[in-house]
Amino acid sequence: TQLLEQSPQFLSIQEGENLTVYCNSSSVFSSLQWYRQEPGEGPVLLVTVVTGGEVKKLKRLTFQFGDARKDSSLHITAAQPGDTGLYLCAVYGSSNTGKLIFGQGTTLQVKP
Amino acid sequence: GAVVSQHPSWVICKSGTSVKIECRSLDFQATTMFWYRQFPKQSLMLMATSNEGSKATYEQGVEKDKFLINHASLTLSTLTVTSAHPEDSSFYICSARKGLVFQPQHFGDGTRLSIL
Repeated sequence: TQLLEQSPQFLSIQEGENLTVYCNSSSVFSSLQWYRQEPGEGPVLLVTVVTGGEVKKLKRLTFQFGDARKDSSLHITAAQPGDTGLYLCAVYGSSNTGKLIFGQGTTLQVKP
Repeated sequence: GAVVSQHPSWVICKSGTSVKIECRSLDFQATTMFWYRQFPKQSLMLMATSNEGSKATYEQGVEKDKFLINHASLTLSTLTVTSAHPEDSSFYICSARKGLVFQPQHFGDGTRLSIL
């Protein structure tokens, strides 16, 4: 079983639409990270959420950490073709080695 | 700052050959580097953790003799895929961390490996 369950796995929408991506777990985390990866490139860190209930905004992207720190969501307002990519949530594993564990990812395609 | 460079970005080779991929931290010293593998439309799977001057720690199911990792300096780690076969074709990504355990990882741009 996956530690982090992301949904949906694939999303194809028109430019201007809103969307939400979810990252869920039954475990509690001290922090959670969101990355975006474009084809042929490495992932780029978008945000780290730390506090339960925390909301962070990055332009049209809104990130929320669940009150119980078990889940997170990423909401994109008025999506643009430049938002196309693979969105990944990630947490540190339990071994205190700093290893990141990634969710399955959400592939987003925004059509012009 | 915190730039990580991978080389080569793309390599094609014949089955049975060995391929070396380099991961360099260009503007910081990386005590720890990580190697990931990613199949098309899938997430990153950690292969191994590499600490400078010591043996790499491999994740369960990753063959140590197949994927040789060397972290000889604070700015360079290498992954050698030995006797590569078509099933080893994948996107390999490294990341580097400056120091403390929960410092951010900085990712390279990946190496696309195609084995014919």
